Amino acid sequence: DIVMTQSPDSLAVSLGERATINCKSSQSVLYSSSNKNYLAWYQQKPGQPPKLLFYWASTRESGVPDRFSGSGSGTDFTLTISSLQAEDVAVYYCQQYYNNPPAFGPGTKVDIK
Amino acid sequence: QLQLQESGPGLVKPSETLSLTCTVSGGSISSSDYYWGWIRQSPGKGLEWIGNIYYSGSTYYNPSLKSRVTISADTSKNQFSLKLSSVTAADTAVFYCARQQKLRYCSTSCVGPPDYWGQGTLVTVSS
Repeated sequence: DIVMTQSPDSLAVSLGERATINCKSSQSVLYSSSNKNYLAWYQQKPGQPPKLLFYWASTRESGVPDRFSGSGSGTDFTLTISSLQAEDVAVYYCQQYYNNPPAFGPGTKVDIK
Repeated sequence: QLQLQESGPGLVKPSETLSLTCTVSGGSISSSDYYWGWIRQSPGKGLEWIGNIYYSGSTYYNPSLKSRVTISADTSKNQFSLKLSSVTAADTAVFYCARQQKLRYCSTSCVGPPDYWGQGTLVTVSS
């Protein structure tokens, strides 16, 4: 099974500043035949289900603000919030869908400093 | 607008079977474009994939739960269901149902990430 890890566990960022979350997979989730990374990012606010932000590592889901960006390839990925807003306080998860079982990272909690 | 809603008992006794149903509105579970799945979230284990079902009836279960899980569908009611047997306190979690797209570009899996989720239902295992 592919194991997902994230760092840091939590971070506090001032409003308007950049937040960076890292995700690492125990094996590559880049499929050579499609040249796609089978990696998604989610945002979860308290009392709500996770919300899909990105798929294929960097393809933004409809309606996601462009201050959010996803990058990376192979085993190392990054979610960046370029200018943190109050409504971005949440836990963020990465997930691989390269093979079964799909696996989520443990999450990174983002707060306001 | 697609909506998914979980329903079922919020309290299950140890060793019994947990049963949940997901009712889908605004879309059809008979579509060949999607899989329909269950995911749970507990403080101790985070988000854990349980399994999914395709319109053809084919299912995939997480090997860690496979011996205890059954996912089925009732297309006439546009619902799919989860049964988890022999539950223990470790199965206490918020259970979500979700839709996943069938990928155009498959790797070893053709199941995409969940793009629509239900609100979730807390199931507590306790006597």
